[in-house]
Amino acid sequence: AQSVTQPDIHITVSEGASLELRCNYSYGATPYLFWYVQSPGQGLQLLLKYFSGDTLVQGIKGFEAEFKRSQSSFNLRKPSVHWSDAAEYFCAVTLNQAGTALIFGKGTTLSVSS
Amino acid sequence: GAGVSQTPSNKVTEKGKYVELRCDPISGHTALYWYRQSLGQGPEFLIYFQGTGAADDSGLPNDRFFAVRPEGSVSTLKIQRTERGDSAVYLCASSEQGGSGYTFGSGTRLTVV
Repeated sequence: AQSVTQPDIHITVSEGASLELRCNYSYGATPYLFWYVQSPGQGLQLLLKYFSGDTLVQGIKGFEAEFKRSQSSFNLRKPSVHWSDAAEYFCAVTLNQAGTALIFGKGTTLSVSS
Repeated sequence: GAGVSQTPSNKVTEKGKYVELRCDPISGHTALYWYRQSLGQGPEFLIYFQGTGAADDSGLPNDRFFAVRPEGSVSTLKIQRTERGDSAVYLCASSEQGGSGYTFGSGTRLTVV
């Protein structure tokens, strides 16, 4: 069955430190890949997406993600975390751009310590 | 509108009652999706509309759940005989046809007491 796994339920990072959030998927074909962020009481905001081409994708708020086909992974990274980055992060996949539902992971909660 | 609008933002209802949740997508977006997000979980797909028709309703949990989009714009998610297990945040998203992104609303928090 198609699935998305985010192995880390909760991560705490010191402000200014680097961040990597893991995402692995299980699909028969290369899916389209997304990272969303959700602050408490807010909707989902798209950070970045990968459809094809360069496997290193730049997003908003200084985030980037790298698609690794051999590892079926799409990990999210940020070189220096800010306190405002504390939120829930969701990895999502879909099989094609048009009209296929996103399948989400269970999310990783990021806490930022000072 | 500028974004996806969902109303109400919060709904408390008694077990067994009927509720309607509304989604107003971005103008011109032909695709509309409903998701349900339970506490501590990622959003789970419920139903997808392309225009007025439900192209994929495989995520609807049972026949108490129904959704419509009669004019290809606003959509209503309808839940009959609500149960406490229906308590969740219901998210709506829209995209352009063949679009490369999904814009989500802020959701409706449904609490069944």
